[in-house]
Amino acid sequence: QVQLQESGPGLVKPSETLSLTCTVSGDSVSGGNYYWSWIRQPPGRGLEWVAYMHSSGRTNYNPSLKSRVTTSGDTSKNQFSLKMSSVTAADTAVYFCARWWVRKFDYWGQGILVTVSS
Amino acid sequence: QSVLTQPPSASGTPGQRVTISCSGSSSNIGTNSVNWYQQLPGAAPQLLIYSNNQRPSGVPDRFSGSKSGTSASLAISGLQSEDEADYYCAAWDDSLNGVLFGGGTKLTVL
Repeated sequence: QVQLQESGPGLVKPSETLSLTCTVSGDSVSGGNYYWSWIRQPPGRGLEWVAYMHSSGRTNYNPSLKSRVTTSGDTSKNQFSLKMSSVTAADTAVYFCARWWVRKFDYWGQGILVTVSS
Repeated sequence: QSVLTQPPSASGTPGQRVTISCSGSSSNIGTNSVNWYQQLPGAAPQLLIYSNNQRPSGVPDRFSGSKSGTSASLAISGLQSEDEADYYCAAWDDSLNGVLFGGGTKLTVL
């Protein structure tokens, strides 16, 4: 059974960098034809795809966030991460990591609430 | 940012059949398959329908999906109180080269 678990600070100050990690168990972030993804959900609002890292290491970002976001993997720890710079209150959201495989998100983490506030 | 278009709310009484629509364009629904996710309060979304009309194991056959052109629909028959949740459609978008979500539909069981 594949499991994903987000971790990181729940509070980030405005203009600083948000850093999150997703730990994967039951599968390898470097194997298969998977897109290891980040999705966020502002409080009371809908889902927004943020970024993905393919098993090969190739990445892609939502154009609306591209200038501030980076995702990368650590195969030794079987993790992938998200960094978002220059955050504002608008970046306050629950951040989910998920696996995209064969045209669907089949496994999701439980999500982590990140609040941007001084 | 553009999203797939869903009605913000839907409702029905127990036992009824309800449908939720999802409208897109040629770069997403028109070209790629549609998934539906159910999000219960305080929980992560869960895959409900994939490849337009396929149910993962464990999803009751009361849930069904369909797609036509650049639109898709989720139907729930025999509505139950436990179906009260937010429902999201999603599809790969070739222009975005990423996944596009609908705005979500809040289903209320009256």
